[in-house]
Amino acid sequence: NAGVMQNPRHLVRRRGQEARLRCSPMKGHSHVYWYRQLPEEGLKFMVYLQKENIIDESGMPKERFSAEFPKEGPSILRIQQVVRGDSAAYFCASSPAGSTGELFFGEGSRLTVL
Amino acid sequence: ELKVEQNPLFLSMQEGKNYTIYCNYSTTSDRLYWYRQDPGKSLESLFVLLSNGAVKQEGRLMASLDTKARLSTLHITAAVHDLSATYFCAVDASSGTYKYIFGTGTRLKVLA
Repeated sequence: NAGVMQNPRHLVRRRGQEARLRCSPMKGHSHVYWYRQLPEEGLKFMVYLQKENIIDESGMPKERFSAEFPKEGPSILRIQQVVRGDSAAYFCASSPAGSTGELFFGEGSRLTVL
Repeated sequence: ELKVEQNPLFLSMQEGKNYTIYCNYSTTSDRLYWYRQDPGKSLESLFVLLSNGAVKQEGRLMASLDTKARLSTLHITAAVHDLSATYFCAVDASSGTYKYIFGTGTRLKVLA
């Protein structure tokens, strides 16, 4: 049973480019979460999605960031016109419906903006 | 707004010693989680604490939750080098949505 799969693991972008991060949840999990971790800090909640629905995006910056979890395929976190401050590790987590709330995290995607 | 604070932020200890990491949070919640993170790696779930008075143990680690005091502890018994990592507590900010608020983390280094 594969865990939460994220790709790419490392991504380098120049300022102004777009970054797309993908996340496939664990088999049987219908809830996906994205968190951002800046160096030497804890994780900060960004967005919570279920299939085809954004449930809570209160942690997402209002501009340049968007997330989706389509009916088919992985969840995608999209950052447009990246800036240096977007450099961070982006972690995806998943959980099954009706669980104890325990989240299972992927290995993360480390974005570096030059 | 829910705030989660851990202390200490850094902990250097000798093998064989005991120590406790504290996690305080600012508003009511009855779900608290402990995770371990090795450098450059993902987060590994350690404990899920779902009620007041919950206590769980795994090997040299024991976690407890006091929802009235809004406090959780992670106790390390007879530390070994392999426990060196960063430990995070996380609190469910709004029951049912699993929107975690993470603590700042405690970076533990166990010296041989």
